[in-house]
Amino acid sequence: AQSVTQLDSHVSVSEGTPVLLRCNYSSSYSPSLFWYVQHPNKGLQLLLKYTSAATLVKGINGFEAEFKKSETSFHLTKPSAHMSDAAEYFCVVSDISAGYSTLTFGKGTMLLVSP
Amino acid sequence: GAGVSQSPSNKVTEKGKDVELRCDPISGHTALYWYRQSLGQGLEFLIYFQGNSAPDKSGLPSDRFSAERTGGSVSTLTIQRTQQEDSAVYLCASSQRAGSSYNEQFFGPGTRLTVL
Repeated sequence: AQSVTQLDSHVSVSEGTPVLLRCNYSSSYSPSLFWYVQHPNKGLQLLLKYTSAATLVKGINGFEAEFKKSETSFHLTKPSAHMSDAAEYFCVVSDISAGYSTLTFGKGTMLLVSP
Repeated sequence: GAGVSQSPSNKVTEKGKDVELRCDPISGHTALYWYRQSLGQGLEFLIYFQGNSAPDKSGLPSDRFSAERTGGSVSTLTIQRTQQEDSAVYLCASSQRAGSSYNEQFFGPGTRLTVL
């Protein structure tokens, strides 16, 4: 069984300051991990994915995440927040033990960016 | 190219009525998934299609929910005798093939269902 815990339901930052969205996972297998972003009234968009290559993964819009197996973490960071980053972010773990990809979503972290 | 599309974007219905939600996946994607996103519940997996068959229906919340996929393309999610707790955003996703955890799932914009 797999699970994802997003440690903060809301994160508030000021524009230009760093962003840290925390995610811990549990998986019986070597997982693939994703971060998706959802802007208001929009569909889910992939930010980045970890697939057992490099542990530091770079995504779109300046986001990156580091896979730390010892800590079972996959935290999302960005050096400088922009107003357009305000959205809900989902950490996702993928498993193919059933023979196909099953995604387990965290409950989401709402990122609020103030001027 | 076109992404995943869903229709309608919004649906308001009365309790007890049946509704049909449609998903058009990305052309060539063999795997199709339905999810439900509701307040306080996050994103829940409903059903998965590989081609026209549905090997995993374990996420369907009750026998009022059913889904089909025809021609390996369009899928319809049907909810019979809708209840207020069915109110949610229903998301569809597709991916190139199902047998790899690396495959990104591409999501549609969703259908917001409101049951009065």
